[in-house]
Amino acid sequence: SYELTQPPSVSVSPGQTASITCSGDKLGYNHACWYQQKPGQSPVLVIYQDTRRPSGIPERFSGSNSGNTATLTISGTQAMDEADYYCQAWDSSDGGVFGGGTKLTVL
Amino acid sequence: QITLKESGPSLVKPTQTLTLTCTFSGFSLSTPAVGVGWIRQPPGKALEWLAVIYWDEDKRYRPSLQSRLTITRGTSKNQVVLTMTNMDPVDTATYYCAHKGDLGPGVFDNWGQGTLVTVSS
Repeated sequence: SYELTQPPSVSVSPGQTASITCSGDKLGYNHACWYQQKPGQSPVLVIYQDTRRPSGIPERFSGSNSGNTATLTISGTQAMDEADYYCQAWDSSDGGVFGGGTKLTVL
Repeated sequence: QITLKESGPSLVKPTQTLTLTCTFSGFSLSTPAVGVGWIRQPPGKALEWLAVIYWDEDKRYRPSLQSRLTITRGTSKNQVVLTMTNMDPVDTATYYCAHKGDLGPGVFDNWGQGTLVTVSS
């Protein structure tokens, strides 16, 4: 079965750049997307098709995907960005696959 | 504006069948590329994709749960129903339905608020 691996946690200081990785076999040949989930809330799509931002998502959110790794980058991280982040890709056999999630702490 | 809302029992007993309904507005499940999916999240754990139904009636299921899951259109054209048989305490989770538009395969751009289902005798 297809698996996506994320680091359990990432810490960043306010105003700095946070990078969250998502690893999977030949992930670069798929499109990855990213969701933000704050405590007690539903997930929100922040990046799709590797690099694209839905309307309403701040420009500080960006993404990349190459080889076996997709990366979500948050530039000028703000306290409001503290949340869990999940990557997701579509596999022809397994369907929708989510990573294990990364807790972003802004301290 | 797209909205989705999940409804169903909050408590089911082991071995029972769970039936959840997703009632949506702001889009049509007859529009090409559109789908409605179900995703669950056990308490304190990661998201887990379950199933999706597309505008053309194509359906996909999580392979490990395929024998227990059925996704269908509801009696109303703005509803999608998920049934899961033989429920077990490990199925305790918040169940979300979500809209898939034209942003790519499996990309869910709008989510419901979720409904917590507890499996306990």
